[in-house]
Amino acid sequence: KNQVEQSPQSLIILEGKNCTLQCNYTVSPFSNLRWYKQDTGRGPVSLTIMTFSENTKSNGRYTATLDADTKQSSLHITASQLSDSASYICVVSAPYFTGGGNKLTFGTGTQLKVEL
Amino acid sequence: DTAVSQTPKYLVTQMGNDKSIKCEQNLGHDTMYWYKQDSKKFLKIMFSYNNKELIINETVPNRFSPKSPDKAHLNLHINSLELGDSAVYFCASSNDRERNYGYTFGSGTRLTVV
Repeated sequence: KNQVEQSPQSLIILEGKNCTLQCNYTVSPFSNLRWYKQDTGRGPVSLTIMTFSENTKSNGRYTATLDADTKQSSLHITASQLSDSASYICVVSAPYFTGGGNKLTFGTGTQLKVEL
Repeated sequence: DTAVSQTPKYLVTQMGNDKSIKCEQNLGHDTMYWYKQDSKKFLKIMFSYNNKELIINETVPNRFSPKSPDKAHLNLHINSLELGDSAVYFCASSNDRERNYGYTFGSGTRLTVV
């Protein structure tokens, strides 16, 4: 069964500190891996998208890494801000051959809280 | 504003009722989706429509039916609502059958069945 597992489940850090969120997946075959940020009561917003050939991708203070061999990804947040408090969801995309297109498998997310 | 918009944002209804959630996107995307987010914040795809053709239909009860009058709209109809249907439902859209393009999500509809 294809799965996407994230750790930690929740995390509390002080403003200004860095943190790293982990994502392990067993989805195969694999098209791409995405990290989303979901604020409370809002829809997910895409942070990064990486194909299997990309090892790292940055979006401002967010840097995602991908090791397609070990099927692991991480999201590093630098100099955290209060507005970073949200749920961060790892999403793995795989080809869905019936009718074409891709199927997304969502992780359960890491709930990050940034405090003063 | 260009976006994926869902209505209503909140919906409280009694068991057994029939309800609809509307979704519209003005991004020019060719594929739209419905996701259900359960109490554990896990997002599961329910339906996907591309040019009015159902592409993905997960193991969703047939009480749920998507209706797409045109490429910019994908509404979700739910018949005979049950307590377990309570969740947040997200509409999303993408281009070129998703591939390597990003999804754009709506803000969600919180459905509460009492």
